[in-house]
Amino acid sequence: DVQVTQSPSSLSASVGDRVTLTCRASQSIGSFLNWYQQHPGKAPKLLIYVATNLHSGVPSRFSGSGSGTLFTLTISSLQPEDSATYFCQQTYSTPALTFGGGTRVEIK
Amino acid sequence: EVQLVESGGGLVQPGGSLRLSCEASGFTFSGYWIHWVRQAPGKGLEWISRINDDGTSTSYLDSVRGRFTISRDNAKNTVFLQMTSLRGDDTGVYYCVRVSGSFIQTNYYYYMDVWGKGTTVTVSS
Repeated sequence: DVQVTQSPSSLSASVGDRVTLTCRASQSIGSFLNWYQQHPGKAPKLLIYVATNLHSGVPSRFSGSGSGTLFTLTISSLQPEDSATYFCQQTYSTPALTFGGGTRVEIK
Repeated sequence: EVQLVESGGGLVQPGGSLRLSCEASGFTFSGYWIHWVRQAPGKGLEWISRINDDGTSTSYLDSVRGRFTISRDNAKNTVFLQMTSLRGDDTGVYYCVRVSGSFIQTNYYYYMDVWGKGTTVTVSS
């Protein structure tokens, strides 16, 4: 089974900062990687699919990159509403579409 | 509006059973695979089960296989998750999720594009 590991587990940054979150896969998974955002008490929302594709309605300050085993989610200019937990998910090894442990982003 | 609405959660004693429902609206339900994802309190997301579009193929997380059964009724736009022999570590919020896909070059890629708001299951004596 493919495992995905996120780092850091949490971070604190200021409004306007550029923030980069990392997701590492235990084996090469090509571009089979999605990113989700979850606000406290809410359901997750799809942000990025197939590593680099922005889901409909997601602000353009979010971007995804990477392939193989290393992936990143970048927020180019952090906004207050971006305070949330972000999860990556591998879809290379099915049927279990496993998630990383999450990165909690806080605003200073 | 495209949406999924879960119901059926609640408090149950260890060893008990619950049946979760997920009703879909706003899209052609029979054209999509549906998954269940759960989240223990303060923890991450855990995939637990999926069913294909016509209900003929199912899969489960090892720790729930034999205890949980996923099914669907396309005439009622509803997916079910029958949970038996519940344990404390089954406690959490259970989300029903629509999975969409895209063909890019030679690969088919999946992503969870519609999530329900979740229903809470608490297993405790």
